Amino acid sequence: EAQVTQNPRYLITVTGKKLTVTCSQNMNHEYMSWYRQDPGLGLRQIYYSMNVEVTDKGDVPEGYKVSRKEKRNFPLILESPSPNQTSLYFCASSPWGGGAVVTEAFFGQGTRLTVV
Amino acid sequence: AQSVAQPEDQVNVAEGNPLTVKCTYSVSGNPYLFWYVQYPNRGLQFLLKYITGDNLVKGSYGFEAEFNKSQTSFHLKKPSALVSDSALYFCAVRAGNNRKLIWGLGTSLAVNP
Repeated sequence: EAQVTQNPRYLITVTGKKLTVTCSQNMNHEYMSWYRQDPGLGLRQIYYSMNVEVTDKGDVPEGYKVSRKEKRNFPLILESPSPNQTSLYFCASSPWGGGAVVTEAFFGQGTRLTVV
Repeated sequence: AQSVAQPEDQVNVAEGNPLTVKCTYSVSGNPYLFWYVQYPNRGLQFLLKYITGDNLVKGSYGFEAEFNKSQTSFHLKKPSALVSDSALYFCAVRAGNNRKLIWGLGTSLAVNP
């Protein structure tokens, strides 16, 4: 089954304690991205990756890091989380090659992060 | 600047009645339009998309959407709403060769029994 898998689904942590949210897809997609969803602000892109070892900032990258060492995995790293990073996070993947603009993105189930 | 607007934060309809969730867009180049649904505690699920051709596109769960180029709109519709349709709906657009999705802020649909 084609899917994007995020872990963990729920996470409560304390300010300053480094954490990683994992994301893995089994569709051989080149393009992967991270979003955060906040009430009244919709979905905002944090980082994206066009392929292995190719990443770039989205609209709200401050306080986050990513890596893309393998095509299937795209972890989101919060090196020093703060309460304003409390949010619902989604990983998504889609093709990047020809015709990609007309292809829908596939989303993970989300990670609800609370930073206290 | 490219943008998507969903002018209604919330839409309330009675079960069995038709529903419409509105979306307008502003882009340069040909628009490629998408609707996604988010059920409580779930990720976003793709509903339907407009790429080219027939302005009325049909998607999952009985939903359809009408592309109107002159009004730059892509409203989501369903002839008879179900309580289980209650969810958060997002409209998104890509334009030209730009692979980035531009998102609306979402519309919360409540279908009342």
